[in-house]
Amino acid sequence: GDSVTQMEGPVTLSEEAFLTINCTYTATGYPSLFWYVQYPGEGLQLLLKATKADDKGSNKGFEATYRKETTSFHLEKGSVQVSDSAVYFCALNAGGSNYKLTFGKGTLLTVNP
Amino acid sequence: GAGVSQSPSNKVTEKGKDVELRCDPISGHTALYWYRQSLGQGLEFLIYFQGNSAPDKSGLPSDRFSAERTGGSVSTLTIQRTQQEDSAVYLCASSSSGGRETQYFGPGTRLLVL
Repeated sequence: GDSVTQMEGPVTLSEEAFLTINCTYTATGYPSLFWYVQYPGEGLQLLLKATKADDKGSNKGFEATYRKETTSFHLEKGSVQVSDSAVYFCALNAGGSNYKLTFGKGTLLTVNP
Repeated sequence: GAGVSQSPSNKVTEKGKDVELRCDPISGHTALYWYRQSLGQGLEFLIYFQGNSAPDKSGLPSDRFSAERTGGSVSTLTIQRTQQEDSAVYLCASSSSGGRETQYFGPGTRLLVL
């Protein structure tokens, strides 16, 4: 079945550090890929997405590129801020009968000033 | 219109009682999803609606769980005879027409079964 594997945290960085959160997936066909973010006490928010190979999603300084050859969708940001502290979830939607999102387990990011 | 809304935001109940959780999707969205977020299991899919129909109920964990959607809008997730393992955050999401489109999530209902 479909699955998503993302690096487990927690990840702790200093402000202005470079961030990478790895995400790889297994899916039949050509899924759409997503990064969602969950800030403390809040619901899931879409951060960025990509729908086909080599697409790059970007938002708020975050980027991720859909790599079909390595089945990866790693999240990167060049300079993190304290306000980026949150849990980040990689997810895929492979279509099928229910169009459900399959999520990774989430990565807790803490950015210190 | 506004985003996805859910009520109540928190629910504490006693083991064995029934609970109803409500979801109001984004206006005009035909697809609606329920997920469950728990410490042990992460984020799990429960059920998908397209309009008022639920073509796939495979994610419901037991026959104590049921869901309905009326008027192509509001959905209710019902858990009968609640158990402690039902304690979790129940998330609702909607998308404009289903498929692989972006799903927009509500704030969730935090359920605690004592």
